[in-house]
Amino acid sequence: AQSVTQLGSHVSVSEGALVLLRCNYSSSVPPYLFWYVQYPNQGLQLLLKYTTGATLVKGINGFEAEFKKSETSFHLTKPSAHMSDAAEYFCAVSDRGGGGADGLTFGKGTHLIIQP
Amino acid sequence: DTGVSQNPRHKITKRGQNVTFRCDPISEHNRLYWYRQTLGQGPEFLTYFQNEAQLEKSRLLSDRFSAERPKGSFSTLEIQRTEQGDSAMYLCASSLSGGFAEKLFFGSGTQLSVL
Repeated sequence: AQSVTQLGSHVSVSEGALVLLRCNYSSSVPPYLFWYVQYPNQGLQLLLKYTTGATLVKGINGFEAEFKKSETSFHLTKPSAHMSDAAEYFCAVSDRGGGGADGLTFGKGTHLIIQP
Repeated sequence: DTGVSQNPRHKITKRGQNVTFRCDPISEHNRLYWYRQTLGQGPEFLTYFQNEAQLEKSRLLSDRFSAERPKGSFSTLEIQRTEQGDSAMYLCASSLSGGFAEKLFFGSGTQLSVL
């Protein structure tokens, strides 16, 4: 069975500071990994995904994540936080791509707070 | 692309009543998913349709839960004899099949409160 652990239910950073949201996964096969963002009163939006190949993945809004197999991690980073980044962030894993009958297994989420 | 639409946005019901939620996916998307999200948790996969066929329903939470997608367009999720534990946000997502790790588009959800 696959699972996702997101360390820290709340993360607070100052505007302009580095954002680091942690995600560790468990999967019996090479995983597909995702980060989704949820702004208030909006649906989840895909930030980025890892399938195969390059382990550093770039997404929208300046975010990127690095797949580290040895550490079973897929941490999300952004060099400089902006007020508009305040949202709930979810890491997700799938054994077979997340589409179809597979579905996605999500972590509990991390609420990112940006302080002015 | 008008996005995934879910109605109603909020539903308050009394324990034991039946409720039905509707999801309108992005028009060209052939796949549709239902997820449930409880407070402090990430979304939990419930069921999946490809066109009108329900290809995965073993993860529906109980036999009180059922879903349909009669013409391969909109979908409904019904909960019969609601319980307080059913209170949650119900999310719908859609996608276009093909390729690796397809992108899911989520609606804003229906918040269910069972009193």
